[in-house]
Amino acid sequence: EVHLVESGGGLVQPGRSLRLSCAASGLTFDDYAMHWVRQAPGKGLEWVSGISWNSDSIGYADSVKGRFTISRDNAKNSLYLQMNSLRPEDTALYYCAKVQAAAVGYFDYWGQGTLVTVSS
Amino acid sequence: EIVLAQSPATLSLSPGERATLSCRASQSVSSYLAWYQQKPGQAPRLLIYDASNRATGIPARFSGSGSGTDFTLTISSLEPEDFAVYYCQQRSNLYTFGQGTKLEIK
Repeated sequence: EVHLVESGGGLVQPGRSLRLSCAASGLTFDDYAMHWVRQAPGKGLEWVSGISWNSDSIGYADSVKGRFTISRDNAKNSLYLQMNSLRPEDTALYYCAKVQAAAVGYFDYWGQGTLVTVSS
Repeated sequence: EIVLAQSPATLSLSPGERATLSCRASQSVSSYLAWYQQKPGQAPRLLIYDASNRATGIPARFSGSGSGTDFTLTISSLEPEDFAVYYCQQRSNLYTFGQGTKLEIK
């Protein structure tokens, strides 16, 4: 069974940095692109960033471009999100999500999320 | 950026009734649209992909239709566990989600 476990969230002051991790198990990790999706408290879903299986293709939402960096380590079955210059509006539950094999670009497995709170 | 507008924001129905949820894209996304269900405290669950294909393990009462800019998720006969928030998502140009439709018990 596929398991995705996020970690690294917490309370951070505006302007500071945080690095999220996602540990994957139960799948051949380097077969799949992976993504980060966030959800502000009481709000909807927002795609943040995605990375292809071999890291050759990377994309970001405009809201985080230039501040966040996605990466992966296939040897460690892990996905990362380096978040710099954090803003209060980055406060959210951050999910990592695996793409569905049948149609790349949809997310069929999600972690339970890690909460990032940006506040002074 | 492709904007997805979902309607209604809230839908109040009773178990056994038919639910029809709408998602409209600001420009054509072809058939590159998915639907997700999210219950409180849980991660989203993929229901439908490429507009009309049910994901693995999804009951047949869930169906999707549409193409271009107008899409519909239909739940043929509501079960108690279907009351949740539903999101549409496009993958035609990067990825965006709709704002969600809350399906609540009447």
